[in-house]
Amino acid sequence: DAGVIQSPRHEVTEMGQEVTLRCKPISGHNSLFWYRQTMMRGLELLIYFNNNVPIDDSGMPEDRFSAKMPNASFSTLKIQPSEPRDSAVYFCASSWQGDGTDTQYFGPGTRLTVL
Amino acid sequence: RKEVEQDPGPFNVPEGATVAFNCTYSNSASQSFFWYRQDCRKEPKLLMSVYSSGNEDGRFTAQLNRASQYISLLIRDSKLSDSATYLCVVNPAGSGGYQKVTFGTGTKLQVIP
Repeated sequence: DAGVIQSPRHEVTEMGQEVTLRCKPISGHNSLFWYRQTMMRGLELLIYFNNNVPIDDSGMPEDRFSAKMPNASFSTLKIQPSEPRDSAVYFCASSWQGDGTDTQYFGPGTRLTVL
Repeated sequence: RKEVEQDPGPFNVPEGATVAFNCTYSNSASQSFFWYRQDCRKEPKLLMSVYSSGNEDGRFTAQLNRASQYISLLIRDSKLSDSATYLCVVNPAGSGGYQKVTFGTGTKLQVIP
């Protein structure tokens, strides 16, 4: 299996621009997680999908952030408009069950820099 | 109090040394515990789950102390390749229900030749 795939791996954009991050989970996994990691705050859960349905989006910072999962093999995280404080590494992870008892497999991350 | 707390380190140890990390958690209902490893500029990867009775995987030993609400990771005979950040992960759910997984901010280990 190819593992969790994320694109792009690096993104540099200017403040105010729209940014779209993409994720392909491991085939057969029914749970998908988006995380943001910074030096100051560590790894923070943004949103969790189970069977393509958003279950917990309480970690989404504000209305500028939105996430979708139109099918079992694809998810997007969109930031519009982007701000410098959004600069971070964004990880997508997937798991079999999502109930917290099983392993989460992380993608390589997207390193976002907003100028 | 943070949900999950770790000493950020760095822990600088010589090759061959034994090193231990602790992680405290605030939710006494927590039921699932893990240690993840994250190399510099890489994604986190599961190192090992932590079971109530304690468990060992080669040079790595994980233990859970429910009374004091902490988990520990012991690394024996440290190798240069053990240099990484170790993330403590806590989840209050048992099987069948989703609860928000919480990652600690990590403890950085540097093994020195």
